Amino acid sequence: QKEVEQDPGPLSVPEGAIVSLNCTYSNSAFQYFMWYRQYSRKGPELLMYTYSSGNKEDGRFTAQVDKSSKYISLFIRDSQPSDSATYLCAMRADYNNNDMRFGAGTRLTVKP
Amino acid sequence: DGGITQSPKYLFRKEGQNVTLSCEQNLNHDAMYWYRQDPGQGLRLIYYSQIVNDFQKGDIAEGYSVSREKKESFPLTVTSAQKNPTAFYLCASSMSGRGFNEQFFGPGTRLTVL
Repeated sequence: QKEVEQDPGPLSVPEGAIVSLNCTYSNSAFQYFMWYRQYSRKGPELLMYTYSSGNKEDGRFTAQVDKSSKYISLFIRDSQPSDSATYLCAMRADYNNNDMRFGAGTRLTVKP
Repeated sequence: DGGITQSPKYLFRKEGQNVTLSCEQNLNHDAMYWYRQDPGQGLRLIYYSQIVNDFQKGDIAEGYSVSREKKESFPLTVTSAQKNPTAFYLCASSMSGRGFNEQFFGPGTRLTVL
């Protein structure tokens, strides 16, 4: 079993739809939970991070962490064609910035 | 204009050759990282360095080597011992210390073995 599981998709939605992206994990020591966006043939860029459980909102993006279920989500409201990219979840324990674990990434296409 | 640069963008290697991928940052970050990205897999850590003249193996260090002679530079050598080197290679850097330190990624180098 992988430490971080992420459905690779691909996921295709119409413009304006609400998108839900998810990851599950097995290591209960994870405390930082990140979402990265990666455009084709580019490096990932950090969208949001959350510490421990709870929700965090930034514009059209909302990150949720449920540590009891070992499940994290990223919601994108009013999706735009410019949101078309691969979304990677990543997580790490509190004490070790060097040991980030990444999901495989979900490829999202938002159609105009 | 601060950031991380990687070169070359595309690299082709013949079997049995060693190749070196360049990574430079002007963010004044202490920590630097090399990851490998394959289709359908998450990023996997090859090597990391927290300080000049020191580096540590990641999960998949076999067949790779690094050096950290300058704070801003962290080159990765893919040796002929790496059995399946075709992949997308990403370099990252971050501040060090407790708490959350964002890892900033470079644009990547795509290596293909012919």
